[in-house]
Amino acid sequence: AAGVIQSPRHLIKEKRETATLKCYPIPRHDTVYWYQQGPGQDPQFLISFYEKMQSDKGSIPDRFSAQQFSDYHSELNMSSLELGDSALYFCASSLGRTTGELFFGEGSRLTVL
Amino acid sequence: ILNVEQSPQSLHVQEGDSTNFTCSFPSSNFYALHWYRWETAKSPEALFVMTLNGDEKKKGRISATLNTKEGYSYLYIKGSQPEDSATYLCATHSGAGSYQLTFGKGTKLSVIP
Repeated sequence: AAGVIQSPRHLIKEKRETATLKCYPIPRHDTVYWYQQGPGQDPQFLISFYEKMQSDKGSIPDRFSAQQFSDYHSELNMSSLELGDSALYFCASSLGRTTGELFFGEGSRLTVL
Repeated sequence: ILNVEQSPQSLHVQEGDSTNFTCSFPSSNFYALHWYRWETAKSPEALFVMTLNGDEKKKGRISATLNTKEGYSYLYIKGSQPEDSATYLCATHSGAGSYQLTFGKGTKLSVIP
């Protein structure tokens, strides 16, 4: 069965550069979530989208932006990267309402040097 | 912002032992509670989603209960096996209509052969 696909899996950037992470949800899933997990930390919610509209916003820095496209894939854009942005970024998708279980991608590991 | 707490933080058990751990959350504005299993180098995998007080769910040797009035959920593993070694995360919504799951820090289970 198709799972949530994230790309790239690994990314190395310099400080002040820009990075874009992509997430392709499970087919027919209409909700996408982005989570950030720093070293040794629990996952922190960044932002979510339902039917291509932003549905909820968490601790996402102003330097980050995200959107969900017409094919339901989502992109997380990160600018003016800082060392503290180094983390594992998980995307998850679900079908419909808030009680649906989340299906996670394998994550994109961003390293900022 | 919800405060989801899990205990213990880590746990070592012998193969064949049964074990349980706790997830605590604010009982007000409860909407749903999720349990995820997260193995090293893999993405979190959904175990259960529970919404009603008194819910009990079971998947193989793993089961969970939910008490929304007092704000806790227990996860039980019967006859632990080495392959059960993982971090078990619980998460809950911040209220009806919210798409944001707030995760606890997890309980790291190590099963010793």
